[in-house]
Amino acid sequence: DAGVIQSPRHEVTEMGQEVTLRCKPISGHNSLFWYRQTMMRGLELLIYFNNNVPIDDSGMPEDRFSAKMPNASFSTLKIQPSEPRDSAVYFCASSLGTGANVLTFGAGSRLTVL
Amino acid sequence: QKEVEQDPGPLSVPEGAIVSLNCTYSNSAFQYFMWYRQYSRKGPELLMYTYSSGNKEDGRFTAQVDKSSKYISLFIRDSQPSDSATYLCAFLDSGYALNFGKGTSLLVTP
Repeated sequence: DAGVIQSPRHEVTEMGQEVTLRCKPISGHNSLFWYRQTMMRGLELLIYFNNNVPIDDSGMPEDRFSAKMPNASFSTLKIQPSEPRDSAVYFCASSLGTGANVLTFGAGSRLTVL
Repeated sequence: QKEVEQDPGPLSVPEGAIVSLNCTYSNSAFQYFMWYRQYSRKGPELLMYTYSSGNKEDGRFTAQVDKSSKYISLFIRDSQPSDSATYLCAFLDSGYALNFGKGTSLLVTP
């Protein structure tokens, strides 16, 4: 298995632009998580899907952020419009079952908003 | 009071040293205790996972949990340069949302 696949690995954009991050979870995993990592705040959970359904989006910072999971093998995290404070590394992780105890993370998407 | 406290380091040790990494937590509901290792420019990977108080050993790594003191540790014996990474503690109650520490940066010098 190739693991959790994220794209793009790096994104540099200007304030106000739309950003779309993509994730392909491990086949067979039915839980998917989006995290954001910064030096100041560490790893923060943004949203959790189970069986493609958003279960908890309380970590999504504001309405500029949205996430979808149209099928079991694909999820997107969109930021529109982007702001400099959104600069961070965004990780997608998946797990088998409903718990988060054994997460497999992707390599992350490093976002820089100028 | 933050739910999870972890010293960010950096911690620098010579090759072969014993490394001790620690986290404290305040939430008594945490039942699962984990250590993730994160290499530079990579995602975190699960290193150790424990459920109860006590010690769990896996090769050169030992995870220790003291629920009464709300304190967990990760020990690395005979540390190697390849152990240089950021180590994140993580906690889980009965739900699904892991609570991560901010990580301790470790550098093992040859």
